[in-house]
Amino acid sequence: DAKTTQPPSMDCAEGRAANLPCNHSTISGNEYVYWYRQIHSQGPQYIIHGLKNNETNEMASLIITEDRKSSTLILPHATLRDTAVYYCIVRVADNNDMRFGAGTRLTVKP
Amino acid sequence: EPEVTQTPSHQVTQMGQEVILRCVPISNHLYFYWYRQILGQKVEFLVSFYNNEISEKSEIFDDQFSVERPDGSNFTLKIRSTKLEDSAMYFCASRGEQGRGPQHFGDGTRLSIL
Repeated sequence: DAKTTQPPSMDCAEGRAANLPCNHSTISGNEYVYWYRQIHSQGPQYIIHGLKNNETNEMASLIITEDRKSSTLILPHATLRDTAVYYCIVRVADNNDMRFGAGTRLTVKP
Repeated sequence: EPEVTQTPSHQVTQMGQEVILRCVPISNHLYFYWYRQILGQKVEFLVSFYNNEISEKSEIFDDQFSVERPDGSNFTLKIRSTKLEDSAMYFCASRGEQGRGPQHFGDGTRLSIL
C-alpha cells in the first residue's frame, strides 16, 4: 500500500479555509485517497474520498493532483468544531483495513 | 443519518475476565470491522468480517479474540482473558458497498482493565 506523509500539525483561523496536504508519491492506479478525522477520542469520521477526480461534498473538497502523487483536503470555512486529527489514507477499494497513520492535528483558532 | 452504535461506552473489567463489546452496524451494511486505539497511539485494525466469517485479521487479533454476528443486527468482539495491555478504545466500523464505499465508525467503547 502507498505510504502517506502529512504534516504533524497545522493551525487555521476560524472562518478561513483549512488546506490539509497529503503526499502519496507511491500511489498505484487502483488506490483511492480517503480522508477521515478524529475529534478528541471519538470514532474516526469519514469525510471524503476520491480516485483521480476532484470531489466535493457537504463537508469538504478533495483536490488530487494530476499525477495523483499528492492531495489536499479543503475545509472551506473552518469552525472551532473542526479542530481534530485528520487522516489521509490510501487504499485499494476492496481492501479491508484502513491503515491510520499519525495524521495532522488541525487546531482552529478564534 | 444512519450510524454505527456501540455499547457500553465504557467497560471496566478485572484482568483475566472475559469481556464482550457490542456493536450495531448500519442496517444494510455487509462488511464489519473492529479496530482499537491505545491511548496516545494510532488506530489499529483488528479484524474484518463478511458473510459470517472472518475475511482478514491482524497479528493483534490472536486466540484471545473472537468475533460473532449472533443475529441480524449485532456484531460482537469477545476477549476471553483480558490483559492489562488490552486497555484501549475499541471501534466498530461497517461498510455497505463493495468496492470503494467508505467504512463508517462508531464512537467506541473504552475498555479499562484493572
